[in-house]
Amino acid sequence: DTGVSQDPRHKITKRGQNVTFRCDPISEHNRLYWYRQTLGQGPEFLTYFQNEAQLEKSRLLSDRFSAERPKGSFSTLEIQRTEQGDSAMYLCASSLPGKAEAFFGQGTRLTVV
Amino acid sequence: GEDVEQSLFLSVREGDSSVINCTYTDSSSTYLYWYKQEPGAGLQLLTYIFSNMDMKQDQRLTVLLNKKDKHLSLRIADTQTGDSAIYFCLPKVPDTGRRALTFGSGTRLQVQP
Repeated sequence: DTGVSQDPRHKITKRGQNVTFRCDPISEHNRLYWYRQTLGQGPEFLTYFQNEAQLEKSRLLSDRFSAERPKGSFSTLEIQRTEQGDSAMYLCASSLPGKAEAFFGQGTRLTVV
Repeated sequence: GEDVEQSLFLSVREGDSSVINCTYTDSSSTYLYWYKQEPGAGLQLLTYIFSNMDMKQDQRLTVLLNKKDKHLSLRIADTQTGDSAIYFCLPKVPDTGRRALTFGSGTRLQVQP
């Protein structure tokens, strides 16, 4: 499978715990995006990398959220001290520069109880 | 989300045509994309049109663009139950290197058998 891969697909955690999600983009894509989607809404932009550089962060990305892409390949999104409001689908997408279409993974569904 | 407006819901009967409409605000959009999201899944790029085109046909899909009115539509001929999904219109502005993809709330298409 050469598409965007996200792990895990589902995560249930207790409030206050830390969680980390992983995204493996399509191998030649140097742009990587994280989005969050809640029920009935479109995806909301969180952050975006070009290679290992984090070029843009949304105001939605509070201090409890951090994303990395250390070698310009896979990326991780960590949420510290999770809150119930963090429950959502977290989507990762990748693209090539100059190619505006982004390819999305299947997402990680987070449930905070 | 404020850059794109779509109707939230559309219901059609199997075999009928569906027309999903989208208005956008940024006249510098160079590509205009349609993404499809099936329940519990990530987003799938369905089709796109360049801003210098008026129409694009791709099998059962027809995309119409009225650049003057900043209006985009997606017509699905012979709609099938498998077309039931949320459809997102996504205008893409020229690549500044710092603009992320911004989605609206999408149109939920329900196909009645």
